[in-house]
Amino acid sequence: EDKVVQSPLSLVVHEGDTVTLNCSYEVTNFRSLLWYKQEKKAPTFLFMLTSSGIEKKSGRLSSILDKKELFSILNITATQTGDSAIYLCAWVGNRDDKIIFGKGTRLHILP
Amino acid sequence: ETGVTQSPTHLIKTRGQQVTLRCSSQSGHNTVSWYQQALGQGPQFIFQYYREEENGRGNFPPRFSGLQFPNYSSELNVNALELDDSALYLCASSRQGTDTQYFGPGTRLTVL
Repeated sequence: EDKVVQSPLSLVVHEGDTVTLNCSYEVTNFRSLLWYKQEKKAPTFLFMLTSSGIEKKSGRLSSILDKKELFSILNITATQTGDSAIYLCAWVGNRDDKIIFGKGTRLHILP
Repeated sequence: ETGVTQSPTHLIKTRGQQVTLRCSSQSGHNTVSWYQQALGQGPQFIFQYYREEENGRGNFPPRFSGLQFPNYSSELNVNALELDDSALYLCASSRQGTDTQYFGPGTRLTVL
């Protein structure tokens, strides 16, 4: 069965710390991997990764994909309280446009 | 450019009833996907609509059905509601051929 596993499930750090969130997938027919931030309701898009080893970066956030080892990481440097959210990763398959989300990592930043 | 909108924001139903949730896609997007997100879980893919036809479906029973209209808006219908159907229902729109989906604010459904 295809699945996406995120770790840790929850994380509490202090403002200014750097965090690394993990997403591993055991799926077939990989097409892309997506990262989202969910604060209250609507997940907001962060990154889409399709190629191994190429880092995507946006401000303090960055992400990289390893297609050989089947995982991706999301890094957040110099965290701020506004980074507190659930971070979701999702795998997109080639067949039937199937999309599988992980359970998410709940990140809480202490001031 | 308008974003994805959903209605209603909250809904309370009783077991056995039927519900219709609505979604308007972001302008320029022709594909709509629906997800169910239970508390503490990631969104689970229900199905996707493109050109008014179902284009991919997750592991949900037939009592979950949908429609897409010519203006690309969409409805999710759930018949014979069960307690476990209580969840946040999210819709996301995208352009066909792209994987990046943009989500609406969701409808919180409570089944009593």
